[in-house]
Amino acid sequence: DVKVTQSSRYLVKRTGEKVFLECVQDMDHENMFWYRQDPGLGLRLIYFSYDVKMKEKGDIPEGYSVSREKKERFSLILESASTNQTSMYLCASSLPDSYEQYFGPGTRLTVT
Amino acid sequence: GNSVTQMEGPVTLSEEAFLTINCTYTATGYPSLFWYVQYPGEGLQLLLKATKADDKGSNKGFEATYRKETTSFHLEKGSVQVSDSAVYFCALDSNTGGFKTIFGAGTRLFVKA
Repeated sequence: DVKVTQSSRYLVKRTGEKVFLECVQDMDHENMFWYRQDPGLGLRLIYFSYDVKMKEKGDIPEGYSVSREKKERFSLILESASTNQTSMYLCASSLPDSYEQYFGPGTRLTVT
Repeated sequence: GNSVTQMEGPVTLSEEAFLTINCTYTATGYPSLFWYVQYPGEGLQLLLKATKADDKGSNKGFEATYRKETTSFHLEKGSVQVSDSAVYFCALDSNTGGFKTIFGAGTRLFVKA
């Protein structure tokens, strides 16, 4: 079974802090994705990556950056956290030619 | 670009009731269609999929048929259980490349014993 893990289930950070969210998958998937999930808005794509050191902006990249130094790991970075970034963050991965995505359990981030 | 619309929730049913969650889409070409489910405290997991018109995806008693003429992919289950309580997301592949997926807003289902 594909396993996607996220470093924290819950995080509380202060406004202005730099925040790192880590995601690791164990099935050698090329594609990895970061979403945020907000009530009534569904999932919105922040960034995705096709391969190591490659990244593409999604629909809402502002205020975020990403890093993919190893194939199995995809990090989401909030350079200076703001209260409007309080949300559930979901990581996912997929095979290179597939739309079927495998999700981690999510990180609920609260910025105060 | 492609888009998906699903019925707003929450949907509240009694155990053994029939479930329908409506989903319609707008797309160019022939997208693949998906239903994902998110149980409390968990990430999303693929429930079923259909890749071409008239295909029926099924899993765990849930079914959905790819209807190109009505651009719909409604989720159905004949007899829901309390354990089906979750948020259900309709999704389709993006036509902007990159094997991205577009998700609906989600429909929360509550099943009462």
